[in-house]
Parts: sequence; C-alpha cells; structure tokens
Amino acid sequence: GAVVSQHPSRVICKSGTSVKIECRSLDFQATTMFWYRQFPKQSLMLMATSNEGSKATYEQGVEKDKFLINHASLTLSTLTVTSAHPEDSSFYICSTSPAYASGGGKTPLASTDTQYFGPGTRLTVL
Amino acid sequence: GENVEQHPSTLSVQEGDSAVIKCTYSDSASNYFPWYKQELGKRPQLIIDIRSNVGEKKDQRIAVTLNKTAKHFSLHITETQPEDSAVYFCAASDPYSSASKIIFGSGTRLSIRP
Repeated sequence: GAVVSQHPSRVICKSGTSVKIECRSLDFQATTMFWYRQFPKQSLMLMATSNEGSKATYEQGVEKDKFLINHASLTLSTLTVTSAHPEDSSFYICSTSPAYASGGGKTPLASTDTQYFGPGTRLTVL
Repeated sequence: GENVEQHPSTLSVQEGDSAVIKCTYSDSASNYFPWYKQELGKRPQLIIDIRSNVGEKKDQRIAVTLNKTAKHFSLHITETQPEDSAVYFCAASDPYSSASKIIFGSGTRLSIRP
C-alpha cells in the first residue's frame, strides 16, 4: 500500500525549544497532506491541511504561529512546534491520499478517498 | 461542519463472539465512511470503508452497514480473536472541505476476553 513516513518517531525536548517533524509521501506526489494531534486515549484531531506551494489551512483553535507548516515540495510537509510547552506533548500524525497525487506521480494505489497515515511522532516536552 | 459520534467508548466481548460499534454523522452530504484500527502507539490502519451509494460491505470477518436516511453506520466484527483488541475509529468525509478531509469519531476501545 501507499507509504507515508515521518521523522523523527520520538522526540524529547526542553520547554521553549522548537521541534520540526517531517512527513514524506513515498509512493506518490501529494499536493495535500493533513496533520493530526492525538492526546492519550483520545481521538485524532485535525490540526491543519497542508497545501503544496501555498499556505496551510488551520482548524479552529489551532494557533498558526505556534504550529508552522511548510509544504515546499510534492513529497514533503513539515510541522514545526515553536516554543514548545509540556501541554504540547502529544502524538502527531500526518496523512495523505492518492486523491491528492499530482500529475506525473506514480499510479494511485487505492480508492481516491483512502487516507494513509504516517507512523506518527511522539513529542514529549519537559 | 461534519460531526461524528461513536459508541460505545469501551467494549469487552468474549473471544469468538461478535462486536458491534455504532456511529452517527451529522451532515447528509457526507459520502465516504472509513473505519480505522489503531494499536497502542501505532498509526491508524484502514480496515474497511463504505460509500454512500452502498448499504453494506463485507470483508471476511468484518462488515460495515450504512443507513443514509438515519445517518448511521456500524462496524461488525464476527468470530472475534485476541488480535482484534485495539481502538477502533469511525470517520466521515467533510463534504464542504475543498480537500475532502475526514472527521473522526471518539473511538472505541475493544477488548477480547480469552
């Protein structure tokens, strides 16, 4: 199936520092990626939609200046948690879909709505 | 926007018995309903999905039903096995999103008793 990777898988940082998380689409070029946050024993909450070559769209209540998203290429989106605090500790997951594959990419692997998730990044802020 | 409600939040069944998880959605324009299984510390894995032009879909021990009129959809797992223990999420597409984002239910923690 489609492969979406994330790096790093785990990160521990001090309060006040910034952390960058990378999300890569390995099997197709993705014009759109989604970033989710998942607190322990809770559901996945959509934070923002990352659009290649344009500004990200943030969900209500998500601070765009704190969670910086860059989607500079068709295979890479990054989420930077700026000035991280302990309450930002969470599991961050990205996803994308062949529906968003750009022309010239590999053949879509499944139905156009299927979302494929990255393995997630566990962020712990001390 | 779309809102998805899921219940129960926890479910414990005897191995071999069936498990049923139910979800409701708010927007009648939603047309895609995936179900995900998530094991502890791992990514959600798509296990089955259904579209609004279909009432039921089955894949081995897993089936999903959709009632568009009532805006209900359900996941049925038969002959449950220990490896079915996980958290299950239903989801629905947000028809008003230009990027067709999906909205998740709150999740059901399924435990299979040996």
